[in-house]
Amino acid sequence: GAVVSQHPSRVICKSGTSVKIECRSLDFQATTMFWYRQFPKKSLMLMATSNEGSKATYEQGVEKDKFLINHASLTLSTLTVTSAHPEDSSFYICSASGTRGQNTGELFFGEGSRLTVL
Amino acid sequence: GQNIDQPTEMTATEGAIVQINCTYQTSGFNGLFWYQQHAGEAPTFLSYNVLDGLEEKGRFSSFLSRSKGYSYLLLKELQMKDSASYLCVTMDSNYQLIWGAGTKLIIKP
Repeated sequence: GAVVSQHPSRVICKSGTSVKIECRSLDFQATTMFWYRQFPKKSLMLMATSNEGSKATYEQGVEKDKFLINHASLTLSTLTVTSAHPEDSSFYICSASGTRGQNTGELFFGEGSRLTVL
Repeated sequence: GQNIDQPTEMTATEGAIVQINCTYQTSGFNGLFWYQQHAGEAPTFLSYNVLDGLEEKGRFSSFLSRSKGYSYLLLKELQMKDSASYLCVTMDSNYQLIWGAGTKLIIKP
């Protein structure tokens, strides 16, 4: 079964509202979680890396105040898209690494969240 | 700089074999991954190579040559469900992942 759960899988919101996406590691402690954004027919773009209990490290060009990331526990990270606009519409995917898969460096991905901003 | 090159699209026939190549340049090297991604879904882990050679896992095999900065993913006995994008991903010396743009594989009956 899935080891990383992401919720919601689809969300439609009005422009100007905020949306929260949750990413949970179900059977391991995720010391590090990654948030990606994917545009149609494009590869994944890393937005930020978060370590439990510390501030997220954002990639260049990603607005920290717009994409709020919280990694308060070893099993949960959240991404909040604040004051969403239509251009924020995208597919957001989280992944986690931790004790599981440490020998291979494997990342475990959530199912992804499709955000549509009207 | 850091760069990954893989073909944009490939077409193959059901039951056949296809090889997807990937060349890379990274600052240090801590392994290479192959992921499969169906449209609208998250990537699925296929393989990880950190040493030179061939790793076989069922119908899928992955090869790495670190000296050449080259890897390939070999898919045998192709099935229609193998139609997907295949992402070549490297990990650099800072354990950062560098993602290729992916190869869209189209399987025809």
